[in-house]
Amino acid sequence: QSALTQPRSVSGSPGQSVTISCTGTSSDVGGYNYVSWYQQHPGKAPKLMIYDVSKRPSGVPDRFSGSKSGNTASLTISGLQAEDEADYYCCSYGGSYTWVFGGGTKLTVL
Amino acid sequence: QVQLVESGGGVVQPGGSLRLSCAASGFTFSSYVMHWVRQAPGKGLEWVSFVGYDVNTKYYADSVKGRFTISRDNSKKTLFLEMNSLRAEDTAVYYCVKELSGAYTFEIWGQGTMVTISS
Repeated sequence: QSALTQPRSVSGSPGQSVTISCTGTSSDVGGYNYVSWYQQHPGKAPKLMIYDVSKRPSGVPDRFSGSKSGNTASLTISGLQAEDEADYYCCSYGGSYTWVFGGGTKLTVL
Repeated sequence: QVQLVESGGGVVQPGGSLRLSCAASGFTFSSYVMHWVRQAPGKGLEWVSFVGYDVNTKYYADSVKGRFTISRDNSKKTLFLEMNSLRAEDTAVYYCVKELSGAYTFEIWGQGTMVTISS
């Protein structure tokens, strides 16, 4: 399976909103509602931010939201804060007990 | 609290072997699916392997199939990854991950253990 496609970088000013896209195929993103998003700060382990396309784990601010249309999923971060600056990865279940990640997007808070 | 602690990483020559371990605590280990996910230096995340609640359900990424073996000891709350015929491209931080039940999602991550394949 090929990696999901994410923009390499996005940026926004504090208080603004940014959206990160994640494009796959009908065999992964489009075929299952098992899209998740992970935040990773430098030198740290990834942290689950969104699962099942749009659900937030306990403790994740509601500034983070997810959605999906066809083969493309999106993560939107509203009210950007300095601590949101990190790498973000999408992931989709690909069937037959396989998972595929996106290449990652570096979010810069200006 | 839920905690996953990996160990066993190190520097190995190409063609060599290594066994990673992951000690789990703070949850009923035997009730959860577990995974290994890796990240090459400066690169993105790559799913490596999955083991179900029972020790017999195992799946692997094509890149490691036939070379890596995942296993678990529910009595010791420990996950393992036996890695053989190691290649330079296996160099990565290896993360032990607890799945969110029923959601095909990587819920809790360990801190990772670095594996370097180099002569």
